[in-house]
Amino acid sequence: EAQVTQNPRYLITVTGKKLTVTCSQNMNHEYMSWYRQDPGLGLRQIYYSMNVEVTDKGDVPEGYKVSRKEKRNFPLILESPSPNQTSLYFCASREGSHYGYTFGSGTRLTVV
Amino acid sequence: KQEVTQIPAALSVPEGENLVLNCSFTDSAIYNLQWFRQDPGKGLTSLLLIQSSQREQTSGRLNASLDKSSGRSTLYIAASQPGDSATYLCAVRPAGYSTLTFGKGTMLLVSP
Repeated sequence: EAQVTQNPRYLITVTGKKLTVTCSQNMNHEYMSWYRQDPGLGLRQIYYSMNVEVTDKGDVPEGYKVSRKEKRNFPLILESPSPNQTSLYFCASREGSHYGYTFGSGTRLTVV
Repeated sequence: KQEVTQIPAALSVPEGENLVLNCSFTDSAIYNLQWFRQDPGKGLTSLLLIQSSQREQTSGRLNASLDKSSGRSTLYIAASQPGDSATYLCAVRPAGYSTLTFGKGTMLLVSP
């Protein structure tokens, strides 16, 4: 089944403890991105990647890092999480310019 | 900067009604527009993708239209069912960009 897989689905962590949220797609898509969803603010893009080793900042990149070493994987790294990064995170991918986006099931992160 | 507005924010209807969800965007220079469905605490499911050159797309009981010049899209749901209850999100991909700009969604409740 074609899909975008995120792990973990739920995560509670403490301030300052580094964490990684993984994202993997099995559709050979070139483009991948990360979004966060917050009440009243909607979905906002954090980072995106046009291809392997090519990444760029979205609208809210502060406090996050990404890497794209393989086409299928696009992990989101929080080096020193803070409570304001408590959110619902989504990974998405698409095939080419004319195609729509496929989203993962989301990762609910709580930073205490 | 592109802004996307969805009206109404919430809608409650009895089963069987035909309904229309509205999406407006401020910059008509878009590449495409995508409608998503989000169930509580879940990921985004793509419903319809409309390219900027298209006027409408249909899938089952769903029909989405696009009027790029006026900055509007509508999602028409025929013969609504309780299973249609969800939040519906409109997302615009601005021309020349890879990001999606989302509206804040319309929360739909269909009562039996």
